[in-house]
Amino acid sequence: DAGVTQSPTHLIKTRGQHVTLRCSPISGHKSVSWYQQVLGQGPQFIFQYYEKEERGRGNFPDRFSARQFPNYSSELNVNALLLGDSALYLCASSIRTGDQPQHFGDGTRLSIL
Amino acid sequence: QKEVEQDPGPLSVPEGAIVSLNCTYSNSAFQYFMWYRQYSRKGPELLMYTYSSGNKEDGRFTAQVDKSSKYISLFIRDSQPSDSATYLCAMSAEGRAAGNKLTFGGGTRVLVKP
Repeated sequence: DAGVTQSPTHLIKTRGQHVTLRCSPISGHKSVSWYQQVLGQGPQFIFQYYEKEERGRGNFPDRFSARQFPNYSSELNVNALLLGDSALYLCASSIRTGDQPQHFGDGTRLSIL
Repeated sequence: QKEVEQDPGPLSVPEGAIVSLNCTYSNSAFQYFMWYRQYSRKGPELLMYTYSSGNKEDGRFTAQVDKSSKYISLFIRDSQPSDSATYLCAMSAEGRAAGNKLTFGGGTRVLVKP
């Protein structure tokens, strides 16, 4: 069975631009969470979606938004990109909200120039 | 102060040695404890998962949770060069309000030398 898949694998943007990252959860998983991992640090929680509803939000500005689709895939959007947004963006899925453990994809590496 | 503290390393051991990793935490609401392994340019890969206190063993890996001390450990026996990676501890509270939010340590870089 396929694991969590994310696209694209690598993206280069310039300051002020907008970016959309995509995630497909493991088949049968209905909960998707997004994390930001800056180089040399552990992942930081951004959002959780379950059944298309936001169920949790980390300490990130409103420039970050997300949504979940009827097939449980998800998009993370970041507006007005800053240099500090350069990071590995990880998606994790689980069967339902409150379920542990979660399984991660390999992430999208976002570089801001 | 961070909710979860983890020594960044690097931790260098000879092949065949026991690797000992640990994390401390401050949030007494944490009930789920996980260890992930992360290779360069890859996502975290689940190694061990424990609910509440106790020990769990899986092959060469042993995870321990001491909630009274707010301290968790991971031991890797008979370490191999392929175990060279960054090891992340992660924790979560229980219940609907907690959702799926994981709080991670900063990761410990491990190098197993042949």
